[in-house]
Amino acid sequence: AQRVTQPEKLLSVFKGAPVELKCNYSYSGSPELFWYVQYSRQRLQLLLRHISRESIKGFTADLNKGETSFHLKKPFAQEEDSAMYYCASDAGGTSYGKLTFGQGTILTVHP
Amino acid sequence: GAGVSQSPSNKVTEKGKDVELRCDPISGHTALYWYRQSLGQGLEFLIYFQGNSAPDKSGLPSDRFSAERTGGSVSTLTIQRTQQEDSAVYLCASSQGGGTGELFFGEGSRLTVL
Repeated sequence: AQRVTQPEKLLSVFKGAPVELKCNYSYSGSPELFWYVQYSRQRLQLLLRHISRESIKGFTADLNKGETSFHLKKPFAQEEDSAMYYCASDAGGTSYGKLTFGQGTILTVHP
Repeated sequence: GAGVSQSPSNKVTEKGKDVELRCDPISGHTALYWYRQSLGQGLEFLIYFQGNSAPDKSGLPSDRFSAERTGGSVSTLTIQRTQQEDSAVYLCASSQGGGTGELFFGEGSRLTVL
């Protein structure tokens, strides 16, 4: 079964510092990878997906098939980035459309 | 409605009681998902409905858990003989289906089993 691992449960940085939230997946094929975010008192929502190759709110994520990673990065963190972040994958095939989520990382950006 | 609606938002029950959680997806969305969110466990997949296909129940933790989706729309997650370890936030999501797409989540139903 596919697995998504986020090794850091908690991550704290200061405003303006770079931030990287780690995500590794265990799947030998070509999964589709996503980052979802949940801000305080808000619903879980999509932040970005790797197929779009876009930057959302200054965040980017690159799929590294060799390292089976999909780390989320932002060069200058802002206080409003404080939230719970989940990495997710879709292995496709018979599981097409079913997302497997990691354990989540709580990011706190201090002023 | 504009988004996925879940009810109740909070449910406190006694161990051994049955509970039903309801999800009303976004109109027109063919795929519906139930996840369980708890500290230390992240988002745990429970069950996935896609159109008229047989649901993927591979994530249901025990036979005390069941779910149905009537008329391709509203879904009910039922937990029988609740246990304290069932305490969590149960999230429902829907998507347009037909492949990988953005999941739209509800606000969740927080279940507390005393």
